[in-house]
Amino acid sequence: DAGITQSPRHKVTETGTPVTLRCHQTENHRYMYWYRQDPGHGLRLIHYSYGVKDTDKGEVSDGYSVSRSKTEDFLLTLESATSSQTSVYFCAIRQGATEAFFGQGTRLTVV
Amino acid sequence: GENVEQHPSTLSVQEGDSAVIKCTYSDSASNYFPWYKQELGKRPQLIIDIRSNVGEKKDQRIAVTLNKTAKHFSLHITETQPEDSAVYFCAASTTPNYGGSQGNLIFGKGTKLSVKP
Repeated sequence: DAGITQSPRHKVTETGTPVTLRCHQTENHRYMYWYRQDPGHGLRLIHYSYGVKDTDKGEVSDGYSVSRSKTEDFLLTLESATSSQTSVYFCAIRQGATEAFFGQGTRLTVV
Repeated sequence: GENVEQHPSTLSVQEGDSAVIKCTYSDSASNYFPWYKQELGKRPQLIIDIRSNVGEKKDQRIAVTLNKTAKHFSLHITETQPEDSAVYFCAASTTPNYGGSQGNLIFGKGTKLSVKP
């Protein structure tokens, strides 16, 4: 499993509520990423981190924020969930210009 | 930023035939090109990767070729088997350098491969 876990694995939430997804790694990898996966769109980068407290936006960052206060944890927050954010969310870790390892994914449904 | 195009979006082959998936990238600075396989309900997992100093790489029935001049790379699967059925993603990235590019992995939209017995 490359030492990466996501929580929760499944979540149903109501429109307008805040939601936080957690990614935890035990590999001490520098880079961490949040992707969303939707049919026909592949894997799109939401936000990424290149170190503690160092984060930046990806391709589809609107409506999302992230935080990384420790090397091992990368949090993705939907401040006010919308139906368009219904998706499968994957966290990934990487040490450098090498293979990325993915978490198991979180299936989020916004009703 | 980097943009990766992947074709075809769906591919159906008979067991034992070969399958080819093609990708193009836009950033000439990209130098790392992995391929991921995702089975239904599972996470993407690396099956093969290639760096820009190499033109071809093989691993049993899987091979990847890279044409830096044309900015395209391809995945070749020979002697396909039903267990090869999955969604395949190509990706591209540069090398992270601390003063500039973070070397993010940008993915194509995926190819759903179906291998018929």
